[in-house]
Amino acid sequence: SYELTQPPSVSVSPGQTARITCSGDALPKKYAYWYQQKSGQAPVLVIYEDSKRPSGIPERFSGSASGTMATLTISGAQVEDEADYYCYSTDSSGNVVVFGGGTKLTVL
Amino acid sequence: EVQLVESGGGLVQPGGSLRLSCAASGFTFSDHYMDWVRQAPGKGLEWVGRARNKANSYTTEYAASVKGRFTISRDDSKNSLYLQMNSLKTEDTAVYYCASVAAGYWGQGILVTVSS
Repeated sequence: SYELTQPPSVSVSPGQTARITCSGDALPKKYAYWYQQKSGQAPVLVIYEDSKRPSGIPERFSGSASGTMATLTISGAQVEDEADYYCYSTDSSGNVVVFGGGTKLTVL
Repeated sequence: EVQLVESGGGLVQPGGSLRLSCAASGFTFSDHYMDWVRQAPGKGLEWVGRARNKANSYTTEYAASVKGRFTISRDDSKNSLYLQMNSLKTEDTAVYYCASVAAGYWGQGILVTVSS
């Protein structure tokens, strides 16, 4: 079955740049999406179609993709950005949706 | 304002059945693919399945872990999505979210507990 692989955790100090990666064999052909989930809350979309930012999402959130890897970048991470981040995409057929295992971002 | 409101969760014994409903408002429900996503306690997000829109013949897809046990349906006239869960297992215990994952629309989730 298709998998998306993320690092379990990333830690940065406030104001530093945090980068979270997501790797998958179908990513050269399929878009990556990124979700932020804070404790006890529903996920919030922060990046769609590799690099587009929904309205209301701060500009410090950006996305990129190259080959089999997609990257979420938080430039100047804030304490309030502490959360779990999940990438999501589909397999090469487009029929099966997959979430990455999630990355816990710590900002302190 | 987009709203997705799940209902029908609760406690069920292993082997039992449960039907979740999701009422949508604030967007054109009929245009969207709709998903069910679950999250077991302390675990990550797991996609359960998808119902495509009318333009794509309302076809459905399922995760391997639920295929043959769960059925997703939708009623565009009622702006509603459903998840029929049969032969439930303890490992199906999770918060279940109704969502349009690509659009970024999510409900608040509803807890399903499978336990004797």
